[in-house]
Amino acid sequence: DAMVIQNPRYQVTQFGKPVTLSCSQTLNHNVMYWYQQKSSQAPKLLFHYYDKDFNNEADTPDNFQSRRPNTSFCFLDIRSPGLGDAAMYLCATSRDRVAGSTEAFFGQGTRLTVV
Amino acid sequence: DAKTTQPPSMDCAEGRAANLPCNHSTISGNEYVYWYRQIHSQGPQYIIHGLKNNETNEMASLIITEDRKSSTLILPHATLRDTAVYYCIVRALYNTDKLIFGTGTRLQVFP
Repeated sequence: DAMVIQNPRYQVTQFGKPVTLSCSQTLNHNVMYWYQQKSSQAPKLLFHYYDKDFNNEADTPDNFQSRRPNTSFCFLDIRSPGLGDAAMYLCATSRDRVAGSTEAFFGQGTRLTVV
Repeated sequence: DAKTTQPPSMDCAEGRAANLPCNHSTISGNEYVYWYRQIHSQGPQYIIHGLKNNETNEMASLIITEDRKSSTLILPHATLRDTAVYYCIVRALYNTDKLIFGTGTRLQVFP
């Protein structure tokens, strides 16, 4: 059974048109991550939540925003997608060290195409 | 900043052991070594992690040198399905719990 679910698997959006990617989890993990992965590159951390605390990476463009309304859901908003934002977007979850095992579970990703 | 160094690619014959090295010479005392792999077009998958002792699970073994400056992931009997990019990650388990990927090793298992 899928534990980290990303919807949709494939998303096509127009240049400059806001788009939202979603991630849900059934693991009740308190840490959630968003990564961007471009072709033939390693996943790049955009930001992550530790419970409700939002942690932005210093080099994440302002064009990328995130929301976490509750433990189970997290959203990635791209306010004005450019051609350079075409990539696979990966969501992941983990527990924190205090809670025990800290392995991260990844979703299958959403492949974003910008036209 | 990259905290790990891995060879960009390796080959391994099916059925043989695959030994994937990782250098993490600047690792600090509270940082763990994690290994993940990513099969084409899928999300990364956790393999194993360790602090200073060698670890083994159903997927692999992790050998960490005594000075903790390097480690080796061992897949004891590689199969074609083990063809993937393998990432060695050094991770400090502070409250922020970051997971930062390096460039990884592309392992090709051939028949």
